[in-house]
Amino acid sequence: AQKVTQAQTEISVVEKEDVTLDCVYETRDTTYYLFWYKQPPSGELVFLIRRNSFDEQNEISGRYSWNFQKSTSSFNFTITASQVVDSAVYFCALSEADYGGSQGNLIFGKGTKLSVKP
Amino acid sequence: NAGVTQTPKFQVLKTGQSMTLQCAQDMNHNSMYWYRQDPGMGLRLIYYSASEGTTDKGEVPNGYNVSRLNKREFSLRLESAAPSQTSVYFCASSEPGLYTDTQYFGPGTRLTVL
Repeated sequence: AQKVTQAQTEISVVEKEDVTLDCVYETRDTTYYLFWYKQPPSGELVFLIRRNSFDEQNEISGRYSWNFQKSTSSFNFTITASQVVDSAVYFCALSEADYGGSQGNLIFGKGTKLSVKP
Repeated sequence: NAGVTQTPKFQVLKTGQSMTLQCAQDMNHNSMYWYRQDPGMGLRLIYYSASEGTTDKGEVPNGYNVSRLNKREFSLRLESAAPSQTSVYFCASSEPGLYTDTQYFGPGTRLTVL
């Protein structure tokens, strides 16, 4: 069965600290997709990144970076030099693929609430 | 280009009342989804529509019905609301494909059932 675990319920850091949000997933499929979404206090869900299971390259986008390791079934998210605007709930999610299409089921972790204090 | 829109933004119902949540997308996506978000539970899939004319149950479909009215619109109906359906409801859409299948979400509808 598919499952996404975000063991960190809440994290609090001081501005400019680096912070890593952990995500561990379970799936039986060899082809799948992993996602991170941000939910700021305003409530909308903002797409951050999508990673395909056959692409293990890590990715960096500004202060954000993602570390995908199939060997440990992890897809961790690091924010470098955190800012107050990074305060949000961050969700990791998993979707199994069916040869080019989605089966329609995006499995979310329970989220990690990040508070960045000035 | 508004992306995914949802109406209403807020709604209060009494137990037993019915209502329909509306969702529309202007990205020409084939697939659309309804999720609910409860505190500490993340998001859970209620129903989805892989393409126009098809709908399928997700993880928590009981108490809901959906209609894929056309390619743009996907509505969620509560026939007889219950307090357990108090939640935030999100609609999403995506275009299935090996390199493109990312779900984009609407702003959500906060529903309270008294």
